[in-house]
Amino acid sequence: GENVEQHPSTLSVQEGDSAVIKCTYSDSASNYFPWYKQELGKGPQLIIDIRSNVGEKKDQRIAVTLNKTAKHFSLHITETQPEDSAVYFCAASPYNNDMRFGAGTRLTVKP
Amino acid sequence: GAVVSQHPSRVICKSGTSVKIECRSLDFQATTMFWYRQFPKQSLMLMATSNEGSKATYEQGVEKDKFLINHASLTLSTLTVTSAHPEDSSFYICSAIVRETEAFFGQGTRLTVV
Repeated sequence: GENVEQHPSTLSVQEGDSAVIKCTYSDSASNYFPWYKQELGKGPQLIIDIRSNVGEKKDQRIAVTLNKTAKHFSLHITETQPEDSAVYFCAASPYNNDMRFGAGTRLTVKP
Repeated sequence: GAVVSQHPSRVICKSGTSVKIECRSLDFQATTMFWYRQFPKQSLMLMATSNEGSKATYEQGVEKDKFLINHASLTLSTLTVTSAHPEDSSFYICSAIVRETEAFFGQGTRLTVV
């Protein structure tokens, strides 16, 4: 089955700086790669996703890149703000919707 | 995005009692829903896949008699934790699939068994 590894586990940045979170996956059949933001005591919220036929996707301050050959994908947050502080999870899903999650990254943005 | 509503958000129960958690898709029909468990500071662990009108598929190591799943309609799946014990205390989250692959999550349920 799919195995998703996520790094780093914690990340602290200064407000305005960029943050990068990286994930690798093992199953070449995976074709959908979402990123979720989870605030304390709440369910994960989808913030951006990318499919295997696209190499990069951007939505305002958030971007995701995918390298299918190397089986890794990354989340980039620019101009970070304190409200970006949360736990971020990457996930990988093959055609059968068996979504597997990374271990999570706790991002802290210091004002 | 699609809305998945989970209820209750918090529940405290006594050991030995059962607790039911509801997961509803509010603006779409979900033939498949997923139930996850999350321990503090850890990732989401898939417990089971809930299929409308049929039996749920449980992940290895998850007791199907303890975690009863019912998906009686296209908009509702329920998870019942039977004979709850303190070790069942956890954060339970459901999700539903939209557009074949996009998963939207409920708000989660914090279960505390005392």
